Amino acid sequence: DQQVKQNSPSLSVQEGRISILNCDYTNSMFDYFLWYKKYPAEGPTFLISISSIKDKNEDGRFTVFLNKSAKHLSLHIVPSQPGDSAVYFCAASVALGKLIFGQGTTLQVKP
Amino acid sequence: EPEVTQTPSHQVTQMGQEVILRCVPISNHLYFYWYRQILGQKVEFLVSFYNNEISEKSEIFDDQFSVERPDGSNFTLKIRSTKLEDSAMYFCASSEQASGRASTGELFFGEGSRLTVL
Repeated sequence: DQQVKQNSPSLSVQEGRISILNCDYTNSMFDYFLWYKKYPAEGPTFLISISSIKDKNEDGRFTVFLNKSAKHLSLHIVPSQPGDSAVYFCAASVALGKLIFGQGTTLQVKP
Repeated sequence: EPEVTQTPSHQVTQMGQEVILRCVPISNHLYFYWYRQILGQKVEFLVSFYNNEISEKSEIFDDQFSVERPDGSNFTLKIRSTKLEDSAMYFCASSEQASGRASTGELFFGEGSRLTVL
């Protein structure tokens, strides 16, 4: 099942700089897209979401961009902080809480 | 801050044994879910549950799996006869609303129950 793909398994960024995490999807029926953050030995924690009828949503340091024609979304974190180091999952909602997750991207923010 | 709690945090079982994983969702949430993550793989949807019945299930959720809300607070996942390939981290989640245009689609996840089948 490759409906949601995160092609970069890892990303390393200097503290204070921008982190950009990317996600591609194939199913045009997805109605919501979400980003979750996961630390080791913890469950995924919701970060930010975007409806398929919007192209941008911003919450503090986190901004998600959606390009429907390209079936691509991205998460921007600026400025990046060492505490942001975690695995980031892109997910798409298709029905009644059923989320399709990407493989995850491990972000390391170096001090 | 309210949270989803899961027990046990880790269970080791022999192949063929029954396992019950327990979850206490956030109290005012109406939708409940189980997901799992096999080591090194994606987080995968198993089942969603609303109004005391299954709303949707994946192809992974075969006859060996069942879910139950035995009382007003607990939500359980039972694996009737465990197989080696059932070894995974199982995450319970809950939400106030179903995902879709009327909501953010946000699910609140528990910390997971690690199941090891020997």
